[in-house]
Amino acid sequence: EVQLLESGGDLVQSGGSLRLSCAASGFTFSDYAMRWVRQAPGKGLEWVSAVSSTGGSKYYADSVQGRFTISRDNSKNTLYLEMHSLSDEDTAMYYCAKGRDGYNVRDAYNMWGHGTMVTVVS
Amino acid sequence: DIQMTQSPSTLSASVGDRVSITCRASQTIVSYLAWYQQKPGKAPTLLIYKGSYLESGVPSRFSGSGSETEFTLTISNLRPDDFATYYCQQYHTYSLTFGGGTKVEIK
Repeated sequence: EVQLLESGGDLVQSGGSLRLSCAASGFTFSDYAMRWVRQAPGKGLEWVSAVSSTGGSKYYADSVQGRFTISRDNSKNTLYLEMHSLSDEDTAMYYCAKGRDGYNVRDAYNMWGHGTMVTVVS
Repeated sequence: DIQMTQSPSTLSASVGDRVSITCRASQTIVSYLAWYQQKPGKAPTLLIYKGSYLESGVPSRFSGSGSETEFTLTISNLRPDDFATYYCQQYHTYSLTFGGGTKVEIK
């Protein structure tokens, strides 16, 4: 069974940092591009970042460029999101997601984790 | 970035109705459009990809159509389990974008 399990969400002070993890199982992790999507309370979905299957190509939304870093460890089947200079606008549920077509970074997402909540307080 | 505009933002319907949701892109996305369903407190689930392809396991009462800049999600014979929020997403560019969502409510 394909599973994505996020962790690392927490309550953090404005200006602080946090690292999220997403543990994958049930598929060949190294064959798939992966991404993070967030959803602020009561709001819509916002794509945050994506990484190619090898980790060699990374993409970011303008809203997080320069503050967030996506990475992956294919030996551990784990995706990461390092977040710095957090503000209340980063308060959201953070989901990791797997695409349908493997290597393609530009893809529809056919598997999502349950999410991990990040709350930024001032 | 490509802007995705969904309409309506809220839709009231009854069980058995046929409903349609529209998604417009600010520039052509060819057919690189997906539709998702999200229920409160849950992660989204994929319904339709590449504009009109039904994801495995999704009931056939869901269908997608359109290309270039205008797309439609249609739910025929609305079931109680279908009352949820629906999002479109373009994946034509590396900076993917979602529509604002359409909440389908019980009339």
